[in-house]
Amino acid sequence: AQTVTQSQPEMSVQEAETVTLSCTYDTSENNYYLFWYKQPPSRQMILVIRQEAYKQQNATENRFSVNFQKAAKSFSLKISDSQLGDTAMYFCALGEKSSGDKLTFGTGTRLAVRP
Amino acid sequence: DGGITQSPKYLFRKEGQNVTLSCEQNLNHDAMYWYRQDPGQGLRLIYYSQIVNDFQKGDIAEGYSVSREKKESFPLTVTSAQKNPTAFYLCASSIIGHPSEAFFGQGTRLTVV
Repeated sequence: AQTVTQSQPEMSVQEAETVTLSCTYDTSENNYYLFWYKQPPSRQMILVIRQEAYKQQNATENRFSVNFQKAAKSFSLKISDSQLGDTAMYFCALGEKSSGDKLTFGTGTRLAVRP
Repeated sequence: DGGITQSPKYLFRKEGQNVTLSCEQNLNHDAMYWYRQDPGQGLRLIYYSQIVNDFQKGDIAEGYSVSREKKESFPLTVTSAQKNPTAFYLCASSIIGHPSEAFFGQGTRLTVV
């Protein structure tokens, strides 16, 4: 069965600095994809970034980038130039084609950006 | 605007009662999902459906039921058999295929009183 592990329950970063959130996963599939979702205090889940496993190049979206290490099954999220609006829960998720596209989520990392 | 609508936002239920949470999407997505969120446990899959009139159990289906009579709608019923129903419930939908991503509703907070 697929699993997703986020080992950092809480993190804190100073505004304008860089922070990295960790995620490891386990899957026996070759065809899968990984996501980072953000859940602000409003509790609306927002997709931050997506990575297809077959792509070697790390995905980037503005201030957000990932470090995808396929052999190590690691998928960390780097947030550059942190902003107060980045304060949220961040969830790592794994989707496998063989599982009908449903997602398996980690337990989340609560990120606080300090002014 | 396209999106997913969950209602109500807050719901209170007496012990022993069934309650139904609504989820509607106008994104023309084939797949729909229900997740439960508890503090410290992330999101856990309750049920999912990839086509009308068909659905599958997720990891924590006991005490829940669903229907998929229309592509746009995927209501979740929390039955009296669910021993600890107080939680935040999230509905999502997605395009089936590769790559895919889930779009989420704003959630329903269910409290048993």
